[in-house]
Amino acid sequence: NAGVTQTPKFRILKIGQSMTLQCTQDMNHNYMYWYRQDPGMGLKLIYYSVGAGITDKGEVPNGYNVSRSTTEDFPLRLELAAPSQTSVYFCASSRQGTYNEQFFGPGTRLTVL
Amino acid sequence: AQTVTQSQPEMSVQEAETVTLSCTYDTSESNYYLFWYKQPPSRQMILVIRQEAYKQQNATENRFSVNFQKAAKSFSLKISDSQLGDTAMYFCAYSYDKVIFGPGTSLSVIP
Repeated sequence: NAGVTQTPKFRILKIGQSMTLQCTQDMNHNYMYWYRQDPGMGLKLIYYSVGAGITDKGEVPNGYNVSRSTTEDFPLRLELAAPSQTSVYFCASSRQGTYNEQFFGPGTRLTVL
Repeated sequence: AQTVTQSQPEMSVQEAETVTLSCTYDTSESNYYLFWYKQPPSRQMILVIRQEAYKQQNATENRFSVNFQKAAKSFSLKISDSQLGDTAMYFCAYSYDKVIFGPGTSLSVIP
C-alpha cells in the first residue's frame, strides 16, 4: 500500500494563477480531508468528504474548491492564488468517521509570490 | 465552538527522562475522541495515541500514555524514557463531527 500520496511536493505560483493539488489514497477510505498548516501553527481544515460525490466546508474554505468523483481521489483546486495561501497542504484519509485515525500524505509546500 | 489549546509552544527533555505535554479543550459534547499526533522534521504526521471519551481508562501505547481528565477537559501526553527520535511537533486533536487540531508543542530531546 502506498497510503496517501500527494503531488506535487513543492510549487511556486504567481499571484492570480490557479492550480490543482492532487491527493490519492489506496486504503479504500471513505473519509478524506484537506488541511493547511501555516508556519508554527496547527492544521486548519479546508474541506472534507465523507464519500464519493459528497464534500463539505471546513474552517477555512475560502479560495479553494474540491471534488470527489471517486473513492480514491480528492483534488484541491486553488483559483486566483493569493500570498495568504502560502502554506503547507496536507491531505488525509480515514475509515468511516472522524473518530478513526487519520492517515496523512507527505504534504505539498506551496508558495505564492 | 470547540477549541483545542496547547499552552506550551516549546519544551525540551533530556534523553531517557520523562516529559508531559499539556492539552485542554472546550466542548459541550459528552462522546468524543481525542488524539495526539506527532510531526517529526520529515513533516509526516503520525498518530501517537487515541482516547475515547466514554472510556475512563487512560490510553497507553508503549512509552506513551495519557492523563485524561474529562471533567477538567484536559488530555496530557506523557512520554517516558525519551529518545532522540521523539524530537518532533506534537499536536493534540479533538474529534466529534470534525477534527480540531491544537497549535502544537515543539519537543526537543537533548542527548
